[in-house]
Amino acid sequence: GIQVEQSPPDLILQEGANSTLRCNFSDSVNNLQWFHQNPWGQLINLFYIPSGTKQNGRLSATTVATERYSLLYISSSQTTDSGVYFCAVGQRGQFYFGTGTSLTVIP
Amino acid sequence: GAGVSQSPRYKVTKRGQDVALRCDPISGHVSLYWYRQALGQGPEFLTYFNYEAQQDKSGLPNDRFSAERPEGSISTLTIQRTEQRDSAMYRCASSLRQSIQFGPGTRLTVT
Repeated sequence: GIQVEQSPPDLILQEGANSTLRCNFSDSVNNLQWFHQNPWGQLINLFYIPSGTKQNGRLSATTVATERYSLLYISSSQTTDSGVYFCAVGQRGQFYFGTGTSLTVIP
Repeated sequence: GAGVSQSPRYKVTKRGQDVALRCDPISGHVSLYWYRQALGQGPEFLTYFNYEAQQDKSGLPNDRFSAERPEGSISTLTIQRTEQRDSAMYRCASSLRQSIQFGPGTRLTVT
């Protein structure tokens, strides 16, 4: 299967700071999505972004499919952004998840 | 419904018992996925369906695991003769086209 690597594994931010999370993948994919797992365990879909750039409020994402990576930007972080961020890449109906970036935003 | 629902939310069972986990996808969603997530890990693919047809079951760990979606809507994941190593969060997701939406999961504990 496709290997998905996310970095950094852990991140601690002061409220209001910005951050960039990275996802590298090992093969061509036709689907890429970012998820936020909140402290209650719910997985929330943030972006469907197989290529290009999208923005949603303080979050934005960019995928460069030809170079096999995606970036998730969080600006002006808030304590509610805490949790684990997963990148999932899709190929032939299967989605492969990375091990995530655990983000803690402190007030 | 408004989102993907799963039942039960928590299940504690004794080793050797069979369990059935239910997933009710978002109405009209064609694809349905089952994942398993261990603590501190990302979700691991088990199987997926388009309508009632099981497209890929390569992620099912062994033949104690099976899944069905007989009418192309609700799906059941069955684990026979449960073992302690089966303890995990079992997540269901559905999608219409590209974006997949997850349910709240079933936390299975095998004692």
